[in-house]
Amino acid sequence: EIVLTQSPTTMAASPGEKVTLTCRASSSVSYMHWYQQRSGASPKLWIYETSKLASGVPNRFSGSGSGTSYSLTINSMETEDAATYYCQQGSSYPWTFGGGTKLELK
Amino acid sequence: EVQLVESGGGLVQPGRSLKLSCAASGFTFSDYNMAWVRQAPKKGLEWVATISYDGSSTYYRDSVKGRFTISRDNAKSTLYLQMDSLRSEDTATYYCARAVDYFDYWGQGVMVTVSS
Repeated sequence: EIVLTQSPTTMAASPGEKVTLTCRASSSVSYMHWYQQRSGASPKLWIYETSKLASGVPNRFSGSGSGTSYSLTINSMETEDAATYYCQQGSSYPWTFGGGTKLELK
Repeated sequence: EVQLVESGGGLVQPGRSLKLSCAASGFTFSDYNMAWVRQAPKKGLEWVATISYDGSSTYYRDSVKGRFTISRDNAKSTLYLQMDSLRSEDTATYYCARAVDYFDYWGQGVMVTVSS
């Protein structure tokens, strides 16, 4: 099983601040996918195939990485970005998620 | 508009069974693989099972293998999850999702509580 480790577990950012969330895989994966989940809501696909923004995702978001190291970056934090973000790999079964990064507004 | 609507959740005793359904609309259901993903209270996301577009292939996480069965009825655009021998650790919100090797659309989720 490929274990995904996200860091940090929790963080707070001020409006306008640049934010980087990381996801490390225990083995190499072809792509990483990211989801946003706001409190009480279903998860939403946010970034797929490492760097492609899902429909409706603001372009202040970006994704990058390869092999075992991936990241999600917010160029300039906005209020609406406060949520929990999960990474996920679908390169091999069992598909796995990271433990999540809770991003709060400072 | 893609819609996935789960139903069938509730409170069930350990060892008993429950069957979840997911009604799909807004896309050609028979063209897509589908999956179930769960989230225990205050915990992260956990993939449960995936079924291929035609139902010929199924995949399960080890902890549910032999107890859960994913199936689909393409004529009814409906996905199912039969859950047998339920355990307390199966308590979670269960989401139906459209699957590529990622999950591009999710339902609103249905709560399953396993408790005596």
